[in-house]
Amino acid sequence: DTGVSQDPRHKITKRGQNVTFRCDPISEHNRLYWYRQTLGQGPEFLTYFQNEAQLEKSRLLSDRFSAERPKGSFSTLEIQRTEQGDSAMYLCASSPLLRVANEQFFGPGTRLTVL
Amino acid sequence: DQQVKQNSPSLSVQEGRISILNCDYTNSMFDYFLWYKKYPAEGPTFLISISSIKDKNEDGRFTVFLNKSAKHLSLHIVPSQPGDSAVYFCAARGGGSNYKLTFGKGTLLTVNP
Repeated sequence: DTGVSQDPRHKITKRGQNVTFRCDPISEHNRLYWYRQTLGQGPEFLTYFQNEAQLEKSRLLSDRFSAERPKGSFSTLEIQRTEQGDSAMYLCASSPLLRVANEQFFGPGTRLTVL
Repeated sequence: DQQVKQNSPSLSVQEGRISILNCDYTNSMFDYFLWYKKYPAEGPTFLISISSIKDKNEDGRFTVFLNKSAKHLSLHIVPSQPGDSAVYFCAARGGGSNYKLTFGKGTLLTVNP
């Protein structure tokens, strides 16, 4: 059983650089979500896709953030001109269409450190 | 404004005893509530959920209770085991076509042998 995978697991970058993260959801899961988690907080919703359509974006997702899911399978999250405040764990989750309670299955996350 | 609150940052219990984790919410539009467990360096793992029209759901050692009038839910773990030691997050689904989850800050459960 292949779960949600994320790459890379860790990323250290300098302020002002661009970074891109990849998420591979569980196959046949139509919905894909991105969350961000900082120390002492729960995951905070960033954005969500149903197939290739991006259906909702949080206010947290500034213009420097962009997410894509071009073929309705894997997704990428890009952060341009990174700032120290972007340091966080970026979590990806997926869920099938027909799960009523909308249990989302999370990947291990990508930990971003901006120096 | 935090819509899902877990007011206890940590909880310590003895192996074999009951663990009770609490969660309060403010948004009456939430239609499902979920509990996740998180170990260090891993993503959250789904444990159990409950619909807003139910007051109890049980799965093995885990039971979730919902008091809708008080906007309060709790997760009971009986009996607690050392392997249950983790951070537990309460989450709520937005309702209708709103699929995003809103999480509390989490409670660190430590089960002592």
